[in-house]
Amino acid sequence: IAGITQAPTSQILAAGRRMTLRCTQDMRHNAMYWYRQDLGLGLRLIHYSNTAGTTGKGEVPDGYSVSRANTDDFPLTLASAVPSQTSVYFCASSEGTSGSYHEQFFGPGTRLTVL
Amino acid sequence: GDSVTQMEGPVTLSEEACLTINCTYTATGYPSLFWYVQYPGEGLQLLLKATKADDKGSNKGFEATYRKETTSFHLEKGSVQVSDSAVYFCALRGSGGSNYKLTFGKGTLLTVNP
Repeated sequence: IAGITQAPTSQILAAGRRMTLRCTQDMRHNAMYWYRQDLGLGLRLIHYSNTAGTTGKGEVPDGYSVSRANTDDFPLTLASAVPSQTSVYFCASSEGTSGSYHEQFFGPGTRLTVL
Repeated sequence: GDSVTQMEGPVTLSEEACLTINCTYTATGYPSLFWYVQYPGEGLQLLLKATKADDKGSNKGFEATYRKETTSFHLEKGSVQVSDSAVYFCALRGSGGSNYKLTFGKGTLLTVNP
């Protein structure tokens, strides 16, 4: 079934630990995104990638890094997790970023708790 | 910068009641507007969209009209069902240099009781 997969589904992490959230899409979409969802704040963009080999900073990039070595994968790394990074993380993808409209498709999310 | 303001929830309705969730936006140029829905335990799904002024997006009995004069994109449904219980997000995609990005409202939780 085509779509976006994320792993893990949920994780409890000690503060200071390094963590990588995985995201894979099989739709051959050029663009990919990472959002965090926090109660009362909606979704906020962390990082994005317009195409393989390029990345950019979103609204809340501090404490996170991404890479885009190929079209399908877009991992998000927390180098040293802090409790304020407790959130639900969503990966999304779209065909591209130019033009009038490109629907973003979302993965099922990763619930991360940092203690 | 771009911003989206949607009505605070939660909203609780009885089955077959009418629904309106207000959404207003601030953006330069001519953004595209969206409503996304998030069912419990799932990711977001696109519900409907409108890409230019006066367009009406519709899907699953939901409608929203892109009103540039009032910078609004209110979500409406004439008769809600229990299965419509979810969180609804209004979002916009800018028309300028930031058109890679969706800007979301904070979400409105809808609960429909039998």
